Amino acid sequence: DVKVTQSSRYLVKRTGEKVFLECVQDMDHENMFWYRQDPGLGLRLIYFSYDVKMKEKGDIPEGYSVSREKKERFSLILESASTNQTSMYLCASSLGVYRLYTGELFFGEGSRLTVL
Amino acid sequence: EDKVVQSPLSLVVHEGDTVTLNCSYEVTNFRSLLWYKQEKKAPTFLFMLTSSGIEKKSGRLSSILDKKELFSILNITATQTGDSAVYLCAVEPPSGGSNYKLTFGKGTLLTVNP
Repeated sequence: DVKVTQSSRYLVKRTGEKVFLECVQDMDHENMFWYRQDPGLGLRLIYFSYDVKMKEKGDIPEGYSVSREKKERFSLILESASTNQTSMYLCASSLGVYRLYTGELFFGEGSRLTVL
Repeated sequence: EDKVVQSPLSLVVHEGDTVTLNCSYEVTNFRSLLWYKQEKKAPTFLFMLTSSGIEKKSGRLSSILDKKELFSILNITATQTGDSAVYLCAVEPPSGGSNYKLTFGKGTLLTVNP
């Protein structure tokens, strides 16, 4: 089974702190994604990566950056956390287009971040 | 503006009822439409639809896509309390460019009461 693991299930941070959210997948997937999920707004894509060291902005990248130094690991960074970044953050992965790509995303269990 | 619109936003039914969840979209050129189920944690994949008029079926769940009218439906027959979840619809852009960027609807919250 594909496993996408997010290292922190619950975090509480203060405004202005730097926050790292880590995501690791064990199925050699090319694509990795960071979404945030808020009531009434659904799932919104922050950043995605289709290869090591490659990244593309999603729909709401402001205030976030990402890092993909290894294929299995995709990190989301909040340089200076703000209260409006309080949310559920979901990481996902999928096969790349050259390897029986189906569009199916495999999600981690989420990291609930509260910024005070 | 929303490109993927799901309706209803929430729905409460009794066990044994049949429900139909709707997903309409404004994207005219896309690769696939996907349905996910989200209980308390990670969304899990249900169906991927690429061709109009062909029903996909898995147990009591089925789904169909109408590319002409730009909508999809997800049917659940003989509902059970375990079907209670948020059901998410997503549209995948065509190949090339940012072809991995799924656009999600806001979801339908289904509650099945015993």
